[in-house]
Amino acid sequence: AQSVTQLDSQVPVFEEAPVELRCNYSSSVSVYLFWYVQYPNQGLQLLLKYLSGSTLVKGINGFEAEFNKSQTSFHLRKPSVHISDTAEYFCAVRRSSGYSTLTFGKGTMLLVSP
Amino acid sequence: KAGVTQTPRYLIKTRGQQVTLSCSPISGHRSVSWYQQTPGQGLQFLFEYFSETQRNKGNFPGRFSGRQFSNSRSEMNVSTLELGDSALYLCASSRTDNEQFFGPGTRLTVL
Repeated sequence: AQSVTQLDSQVPVFEEAPVELRCNYSSSVSVYLFWYVQYPNQGLQLLLKYLSGSTLVKGINGFEAEFNKSQTSFHLRKPSVHISDTAEYFCAVRRSSGYSTLTFGKGTMLLVSP
Repeated sequence: KAGVTQTPRYLIKTRGQQVTLSCSPISGHRSVSWYQQTPGQGLQFLFEYFSETQRNKGNFPGRFSGRQFSNSRSEMNVSTLELGDSALYLCASSRTDNEQFFGPGTRLTVL
């Protein structure tokens, strides 16, 4: 079974500052990794995903994440955040071979203030 | 292309009642998954349907059930509602196992 730990439940940051949202996973097999964003009163939207290849993955809205297999991490970064980035961010994992469901972390609320 | 739609968006029920939620996937997507989202437990997997067959089920009591129709639309049903069933219920559809597209959710309040 896979599990995901998002180390911060809330991350406050000022507009135009850089941000990193941390995600660690646990799995005995190879995995695919995902970051989703949820704006208030909406469903989840895929930001980016790591399936294979380059460990640095670029996503939408200027976000990127780096897969680090040795540290079992998949941290999300953005060099300069905007007020509109205020949302909840979820890291998710699934097994890379065969069928499996997505396992989500508890989420990190990113609060961007002016 | 239209996204995943869920109806109704908001629902208020009382304890002991039952409720049916509906999800229409993106055209061409044959897999539909359901999740329950609460502040305390986060996102929890309920079940997944693929081509009208339940492919996987999460750790929820039998009061939670679902089905999928031949046009891939899915419904989930919760019987004998409890206060703890108050949550946002999210539906997601996918064509492959690598990306799920989520609907806006149904906010269920049980009084």
